[in-house]
Amino acid sequence: GQNIDQPTEMTATEGAIVQINCTYQTSGFNGLFWYQQHAGEAPTFLSYNVLDGLEEKGRFSSFLSRSKGYSYLLLKELQMKDSASYLCAVITSNYQLIWGAGTKLIIKP
Amino acid sequence: ETGVTQTPRHLVMGMTNKKSLKCEQHLGHNAMYWYKQSAKKPLELMFVYNFKEQTENNSVPSRFSPECPNSSHLFLHLHTLQPEDSALYLCASSQGAGTGAEKLFFGSGTQLSVL
Repeated sequence: GQNIDQPTEMTATEGAIVQINCTYQTSGFNGLFWYQQHAGEAPTFLSYNVLDGLEEKGRFSSFLSRSKGYSYLLLKELQMKDSASYLCAVITSNYQLIWGAGTKLIIKP
Repeated sequence: ETGVTQTPRHLVMGMTNKKSLKCEQHLGHNAMYWYKQSAKKPLELMFVYNFKEQTENNSVPSRFSPECPNSSHLFLHLHTLQPEDSALYLCASSQGAGTGAEKLFFGSGTQLSVL
């Protein structure tokens, strides 16, 4: 079967750094997405990784290791507005998009 | 503002009602999707339309009936739903061929409650 694992919930402090992990077991790999979804709002695109390594985009970075079936999203200098759910999704070898259940991130002052 | 608008935002219906969800995208995209999002579960792809043609139907019960009159509009017609159908229904669009392996632009969803 195909599976994506993310922690259900994480808590972090304003101004700190948090790493949200995503591990996957899928039939092949053609890329990985991260989306952010605030409560009651649309999921919005954060990043796309297809090659190993770290992609940095402002306060957010996304890392991929294809050999380990592993990705993480790194959020620096956390702000209250970063409280949201973060969704990991993997493109399989036949171009299906498989989603994780999402990680709810709670930021405390 | 993602460029994808869904109405209504909230809907409460009885099991014998018939209702429709509407989605409109202003991005000039070719593909449109319906997803179901239940609490603490992964997004479930329901239907995909590419250039108005349905290209995917993921074994969705017939009480859900999609309609895509043009590349900008997508409907989901609902009838005789069950309480377990209560969820957030998300519409999305993408620029590519509707494989799903593309950057998706989502609407804010319709929160559906079936009583």
